[in-house]
Amino acid sequence: TQLLEQSPQFLSIQEGENLTVYCNSSSVFSSLQWYRQEPGEGPVLLVTVVTGGEVKKLKRLTFQFGDARKDSSLHITAAQPGDTGLYLCAGPLYNQGGKLIFGQGTELSVKP
Amino acid sequence: GAGVSQSPSNKVTEKGKDVELRCDPISGHTALYWYRQSLGQGLEFLIYFQGNSAPDKSGLPSDRFSAERTGGSVSTLTIQRTQQEDSAVYLCASSLAAGGPDEQFFGPGTRLTVL
Repeated sequence: TQLLEQSPQFLSIQEGENLTVYCNSSSVFSSLQWYRQEPGEGPVLLVTVVTGGEVKKLKRLTFQFGDARKDSSLHITAAQPGDTGLYLCAGPLYNQGGKLIFGQGTELSVKP
Repeated sequence: GAGVSQSPSNKVTEKGKDVELRCDPISGHTALYWYRQSLGQGLEFLIYFQGNSAPDKSGLPSDRFSAERTGGSVSTLTIQRTQQEDSAVYLCASSLAAGGPDEQFFGPGTRLTVL
């Protein structure tokens, strides 16, 4: 059973298009994180959302945390080839220290 | 500045052999994690070290897997009698574990191939 379900798993779009990636759970999380991973490298943290309903913007990336803290989304406006990579959501398990549970990832390909 | 480093970057071994994977965390980070990632997939938690506490080994898939962290710094993940299903990228991460949402800093991983 996957605690964090990401969709879609694969996304191939043209440069300039918009896209949204979803991260859903039946469990409540105290926070959720989004990481981006490029081939041959480890994931790099993009953002942490903590408050239900929170919206954070990072240039062309907009992150939302659901009101009930069970889901999150990542929206990219005017995607560029440099956005290509694996996007992972992750959240801490309750009362288990810093241990994170990860979604299965969304593989994004942005073609010029 | 030095990030998390892992060695080797690639390891090819024969089924049944033992392998050791090394992780050098960021200096001063008290928490260290090992994850396993199959091709294009999310990360599977393996083991977590926090300071001097007993490690959380709940993610280790079998007793062939073990890890230690010496002196609160370098960690080694050992896989004994490797099987083909052990082939994956093994990622190490470290964090300050200062309380609250914690950023994990990842190394580049070790790609393990078991023939």
